[in-house]
Amino acid sequence: KNEVEQSPQNLTAQEGEFITINCSYSVGISALHWLQQHPGGGIVSLFMLSSGKKKHGRLIATINIQEKHSSLHITASHPRDSAVYICGAKGGAQKLVFGQGTRLTINP
Amino acid sequence: KAGVTQTPRYLIKTRGQQVTLSCSPISGHRSVSWYQQTPGQGLQFLFEYFSETQRNKGNFPGRFSGRQFSNSRSEMNVSTLELGDSALYLCASSLAGGDRSPLHFGNGTRLTVT
Repeated sequence: KNEVEQSPQNLTAQEGEFITINCSYSVGISALHWLQQHPGGGIVSLFMLSSGKKKHGRLIATINIQEKHSSLHITASHPRDSAVYICGAKGGAQKLVFGQGTRLTINP
Repeated sequence: KAGVTQTPRYLIKTRGQQVTLSCSPISGHRSVSWYQQTPGQGLQFLFEYFSETQRNKGNFPGRFSGRQFSNSRSEMNVSTLELGDSALYLCASSLAGGDRSPLHFGNGTRLTVT
């Protein structure tokens, strides 16, 4: 079992839908990162959080330390949100371990 | 403010050769970390440097090494290249490390080993 598991692996939705991507981790962590990667593009850091909830525009990230679970939500999704979303957990020995990514496609 | 700069962008090497990749962090950032991304394994952590000291290392063989200079610029070296080393290599800089401040990624170096 991987230390960091994301679900779903692939997600297709219609423009305007509310999107949720989940990330579960098995180790104690000091920080949880959410990253975005567009096809052929570089990686952009969306959030770094260690507790609670953060919001940036239409994106919201939450983390539950007790349940070792984080979610990334996108409200009013748009085709430009189509990308791969990756969560990364910085935990034991300060190593950053990533999930396998969630490929999101938003159709107009 | 200039972003994270990685050079070169593309590289083709032959099996058995060695390669050095360079990463210039955002001005003022003292932490640089390196990652390997492949279609099969996804994104994997290589190592992290802070103020010229390696803070931690991922599960890669000793052929993968790195260093950080006093100006925070970093290099990673891969010796005795294998076909499986073909990947996108990314570096990221942060003010104080990935557990205290967000990561800023460069565009990566795409290495092809033939």
